[in-house]
Amino acid sequence: GQQVMQIPQYQHVQEGEDFTTYCNSSTTLSNIQWYKQRPGGHPVFLIQLVKSGEVKKQKRLTFQFGEAKKNSSLHITATQTTDVGTYFCAGDSLTGANNLFFGTGTRLTVIP
Amino acid sequence: GAVVSQHPSRVICKSGTSVKIECRSLDFQATTMFWYRQFPKKSLMLMATSNEGSKATYEQGVEKDKFLINHASLTLSTLTVTSAHPEDSSFYICSARDPRWAYEQYFGPGTRLTVT
Repeated sequence: GQQVMQIPQYQHVQEGEDFTTYCNSSTTLSNIQWYKQRPGGHPVFLIQLVKSGEVKKQKRLTFQFGEAKKNSSLHITATQTTDVGTYFCAGDSLTGANNLFFGTGTRLTVIP
Repeated sequence: GAVVSQHPSRVICKSGTSVKIECRSLDFQATTMFWYRQFPKKSLMLMATSNEGSKATYEQGVEKDKFLINHASLTLSTLTVTSAHPEDSSFYICSARDPRWAYEQYFGPGTRLTVT
């Protein structure tokens, strides 16, 4: 079955340092989405990437979709304590089922 | 953004009883809703896709007779955990896709189920 893996599983950074999480799918995706889940909260949509090689930016966050549409990355520049949470990628398969398969998530801790 | 509500937020039930969880899209009509299960500090596992007016599509390994899904209207889907057991204790989250935005899903706040 479809699998979406993320690395690293955990990341501790000093405030101001950069952070990157990588997402890899076992199958080609039609699009990839990124979500952030704060401790005790529910996932909140951040962004969607559709095109091969696409790069999108949201302030300090940079999202990239691989050329083969099987991997993606999220990079945060100069982390802040408000960035704390678990970041999930979620892939929408090519089957047309319109459902998401979530990655394993990367839990980010920012040390003030 | 669109709003999705879930009720109840927490429920404790005894083993053998059934529990119903409601998921509502508050400001848009959702022909498709999704039910996820999340174990502590783990990722979300898609359980089933709920389609308004038709049967739900269950993921492999999810018992459809155990987790009954009903999507009776464009704004409401329900998940009923039948004959609950302690191993069913988990965080259940629903999401709905806003048809005005092709891919984005909006998540409910989740329901923490504890079976004693």
